[in-house]
Amino acid sequence: QSVLTQPPSVSGAPGQRVTISCTGSSSNIGAGYDVHWYQHLAGTAPKLLIHGNTNRPSGVPDRFSGSKSGTSASLAITGLQAEDEADYYCQSYDSSLDAYVFGSGTKVTVL
Amino acid sequence: QVQLQESGPGLVKPSETLSLTCTVSGGSINSGGYYWTWIRQHPGKGLEWIGYIYWSGSTYYNPSLKRRVTISIDTSNNEFSLKLSSVTAADTAVYYCARDHARNWFDLWGQGTLVTVSS
Repeated sequence: QSVLTQPPSVSGAPGQRVTISCTGSSSNIGAGYDVHWYQHLAGTAPKLLIHGNTNRPSGVPDRFSGSKSGTSASLAITGLQAEDEADYYCQSYDSSLDAYVFGSGTKVTVL
Repeated sequence: QVQLQESGPGLVKPSETLSLTCTVSGGSINSGGYYWTWIRQHPGKGLEWIGYIYWSGSTYYNPSLKRRVTISIDTSNNEFSLKLSSVTAADTAVYYCARDHARNWFDLWGQGTLVTVSS
């Protein structure tokens, strides 16, 4: 069972906006540790989408944005495109476990 | 650009030691500020961080795996390796090597390699 909880799936039509939540606790996100987001297509290398809660690496479209508040974080995808269909994972650090931790993963489906 | 590639046996017998290598190309493994990391994903499950090594050789492991994990680095060949001892079927997973940016986020990943533990 993952330390960070994400919805198993979200879906939207092309052009729509979807959000993925990442819920943690007082020993990880709530303790002030940063949240990072990854996009993963099966059989390929996972790709960093957002680091430090809100920052996009160069080359990542501005359709992707991140936010953090309290013990949760969110990834928003606006202007949903077919190529966004993938699994998305959040990641942080947990002081109780003394380890990096990942979310359970969310599958985004473009209808 | 820097790329990472995992290699090693795809099948390991129970109780034996799983050994994987990650070759770094397009850049030096001696680059300061980066921690060379192993992460795994059990079939149909989420990601699990295994541990990292710095170019100097210092390591840090997930406490849940610490007793069985050894990560080493070979700077002359620009590669780092994972050894996981006493494996069971529960260690069957896709194993990824990744680059950890300043002990914070993982900015580069390999494509992953499936390791199955079975007799």
